[in-house]
Amino acid sequence: EAGVAQSPRYKIIEKRQSVAFWCNPISGHATLYWYQQILGQGPKLLIQFQNNGVVDDSQLPKDRFSAERLKGVDSTLKIQPAKLEDSAVYLCASSLSFAFQETQYFGPGTRLLVL
Amino acid sequence: AQSVSQHNHHVILSEAASLELGCNYSYGGTVNLFWYVQYPGQHLQLLLKYFSGDPLVKGIKGFEAEFIKSKFSFNLRKPSVQWSDTAEYFCAVTTSGTYKYIFGTGTRLKVLA
Repeated sequence: EAGVAQSPRYKIIEKRQSVAFWCNPISGHATLYWYQQILGQGPKLLIQFQNNGVVDDSQLPKDRFSAERLKGVDSTLKIQPAKLEDSAVYLCASSLSFAFQETQYFGPGTRLLVL
Repeated sequence: AQSVSQHNHHVILSEAASLELGCNYSYGGTVNLFWYVQYPGQHLQLLLKYFSGDPLVKGIKGFEAEFIKSKFSFNLRKPSVQWSDTAEYFCAVTTSGTYKYIFGTGTRLKVLA
């Protein structure tokens, strides 16, 4: 089966610019996650969707980050305006459902560099 | 707040050496435990997971992990590493309270041929 797709794979922008990342989860997976992975750290959950509804966005910096999953399938994460500290890998993951024991499947990530 | 600690940040081993990577978590309730691996240039992949039952879990590529509830630990082991095991390894936990994955900071393993 096809895995989680993400684009672009790399992005370089200047601070105060905006950027958007796209994710297409595994077909049939109801739950979609966006993570931020800063160099030297583990992935940190930014936002979690169940179908097209937000389950958890407690760690999303809502003054500059936004995300949507309009039709309950693919999703977009946006940063506007970007700061230097946003330089990181942004990972998308999906799982069959929102449940305690679900395994998450990760995409290749988008590496963002903010200059 | 729940947290996951991986004490070894960088490990260098020669081929055929035995491997043990530490993972400790802080949560007193029911947990699910995962080890993910990220090979160079590839995405995070599930190595093994523990939900319940036998605390010794076997995963892919000869890896295993043991859940010791009294020590809040889920250490990853492999009796004999290969050069192809060079990767970054992440421990993660979900709890009955939040269902969220909490990741450790990762351990970079380099295996010398």
